[in-house]
Amino acid sequence: DGGITQSPKYLFRKEGQNVTLSCEQNLNHDAMYWYRQDPGQGLRLIYYSQIVNDFQKGDIAEGYSVSREKKESFPLTVTSAQKNPTAFYLCASSPIGGARAGGYTFGSGTRLTVV
Amino acid sequence: AQTVTQSQPEMSVQEAETVTLSCTYDTSESDYYLFWYKQPPSRQMILVIRQEAYKQQNATENRFSVNFQKAAKSFSLKISDSQLGDAAMYFCAFPGKGAQKLVFGQGTRLTINP
Repeated sequence: DGGITQSPKYLFRKEGQNVTLSCEQNLNHDAMYWYRQDPGQGLRLIYYSQIVNDFQKGDIAEGYSVSREKKESFPLTVTSAQKNPTAFYLCASSPIGGARAGGYTFGSGTRLTVV
Repeated sequence: AQTVTQSQPEMSVQEAETVTLSCTYDTSESDYYLFWYKQPPSRQMILVIRQEAYKQQNATENRFSVNFQKAAKSFSLKISDSQLGDAAMYFCAFPGKGAQKLVFGQGTRLTINP
């Protein structure tokens, strides 16, 4: 079955460390997205990519980095510059134009905690 | 700015009754859909219903329906015959500028009382 796989489900980071969250999809979608979810703030866009080797900053990109070397994969790195990284991270994908019409398919999320 | 507002952080309803969740938005896009997503305790986001802005007829999916008022930029979700499995966070969403990504509201936590 097609879908989006996020790993790991839970991740713990020490102060000053970089960590990478994995997102893989086998839906043949061109567009992929990373959102951060905090209580009471809904989903906020971190980065998105419409095509391989290209990506754009979202509303809260500071302290994060991404790459899009393959259509199927869109990993997110949370760097030490992100001052408050504890949150739930959601990856999504869509065909081109999915934000206008079809909506997203979401992964099951990664819960990141700073220890 | 493209914004979406859900003014009800929490709602509760008795099982089998009807509840309406509100959403207002502001967009400069002319051709778009609007979406309601459900996030149960598992935290998996599930598309509940979508509405094409150019269609006057409100969308319906089984017990879920929308009341779309384009002039008022209002997009409410009605859940009929509420069931315990409907308990979740509900998010409305619409395309941001350029329609390359979705903008989400803050969410409404719905509790179903047995």
